[in-house]
Amino acid sequence: AQSVTQLDSQVPVFEEAPVELRCNYSSSVSVYLFWYVQYPNQGLQLLLKYLSGSTLVKGINGFEAEFNKSQTSFHLRKPSVHISDTAEYFCAVRPILTGGGNKLTFGTGTQLKVEL
Amino acid sequence: GAGVSQSPSNKVTEKGKDVELRCDPISGHTALYWYRQRLGQGLEFLIYFQGNSAPDKSGLPSDRFSAERTGESVSTLTIQRTQQEDSAVYLCASRPTGTYEQYFGPGTRLTVT
Repeated sequence: AQSVTQLDSQVPVFEEAPVELRCNYSSSVSVYLFWYVQYPNQGLQLLLKYLSGSTLVKGINGFEAEFNKSQTSFHLRKPSVHISDTAEYFCAVRPILTGGGNKLTFGTGTQLKVEL
Repeated sequence: GAGVSQSPSNKVTEKGKDVELRCDPISGHTALYWYRQRLGQGLEFLIYFQGNSAPDKSGLPSDRFSAERTGESVSTLTIQRTQQEDSAVYLCASRPTGTYEQYFGPGTRLTVT
């Protein structure tokens, strides 16, 4: 089984400041990792994913994340946030298994609030 | 093109009533998922459909929950004899074959009074 921990339920930050949203996971098997963003009253949208290769992955809207296998982390970062980045961010994992159905295990989410 | 749609967007029901939630996946997407998002919690997997294979129901919390999908089209999630703890946002997602990305609908917010 897998579990995902997002320690920060809320992160306030001023516009144009950098931000890091933390994600740690636990799994007995290798996993793929994902970050999703949920804007108010909308469905989740994939921000970025790590499948293999370079541990630094870039996503949409200037976000990036780094996979650290030894620390079982996949923290999300953006060097300069904008008001429009205000949303809830979810980290998720799924086992690298065929036939696993691509079921995602999600963290509890981090609410990013960007202030002027 | 059109994304995943869900209806109704909001549903308020009395404890003990049955409710039916609908999901229209993106056309051509073979996989369909239902998740539940309780207040302050992450998304919780409920059920997964893949083409004509038997669904993976391992996430359904009780026998009051059931879901159906005809082929690769619409899916309905039914909750019988609703309880207050069923109050949550129910999210549907679909995925095309051979990819990893799930496309989510806007969800149905269910409130059981």
